[in-house]
Amino acid sequence: DAKTTQPPSMDCAEGRAANLPCNHSTISGNEYVYWYRQIHSQGPQYIIHGLKNNETNEMASLIITEDRKSSTLILPHATLRDTAVYYCIVRGFNAGNMLTFGGGTRLMVKP
Amino acid sequence: NAGVTQTPKFRILKIGQSMTLQCTQDMNHNYMYWYRQDPGMGLKLIYYSVGAGITDKGEVPNGYNVSRSTTEDFPLRLELAAPSQTSVYFCASSNLSGSSPLHFGNGTRLTVT
Repeated sequence: DAKTTQPPSMDCAEGRAANLPCNHSTISGNEYVYWYRQIHSQGPQYIIHGLKNNETNEMASLIITEDRKSSTLILPHATLRDTAVYYCIVRGFNAGNMLTFGGGTRLMVKP
Repeated sequence: NAGVTQTPKFRILKIGQSMTLQCTQDMNHNYMYWYRQDPGMGLKLIYYSVGAGITDKGEVPNGYNVSRSTTEDFPLRLELAAPSQTSVYFCASSNLSGSSPLHFGNGTRLTVT
């Protein structure tokens, strides 16, 4: 599976959009981009995923560049409860569809 | 809808003791996984299963064993607990589709002293 690179930490003002970048320059054609987050020591929570097209759901939007080498997770109106570690993961179809977690981005939403 | 349930939530073991971490899911998912997370680190895959009767090693399998006799259950066994196994353990499941997300349990916090 392709590796990902994320900034270790980011701050965002409450009510503003949080834009979390992820680099996955070695992604292959059948690999999806997934985003999860982990609040405190809870289990990771699925946010969104995509293959080529931009995706939106009730939690967030995912923007994938045309060459698929990077993506951005957008939380449109960040709240204090969005403070968490956000993981960008590239997942293929091999070996039981394993997810390989990196270090993630620690997002701090400030009042 | 319970999703993925892990028991116990917390456990303290002495070095050399054994225990089984339980994981069950009620979503009829074929794939199940065990991850561990050390403080301040990301998750590392221990073992996974693509269906009943089939298991395979992940990134850090040493010191652990698993079994998958039913679709619902995927227990993780520690035979001789060591301090290096102090960690938070997460179980997850997903369905057969290659694009389906993983659903995680809330974890078991294990301390070995």
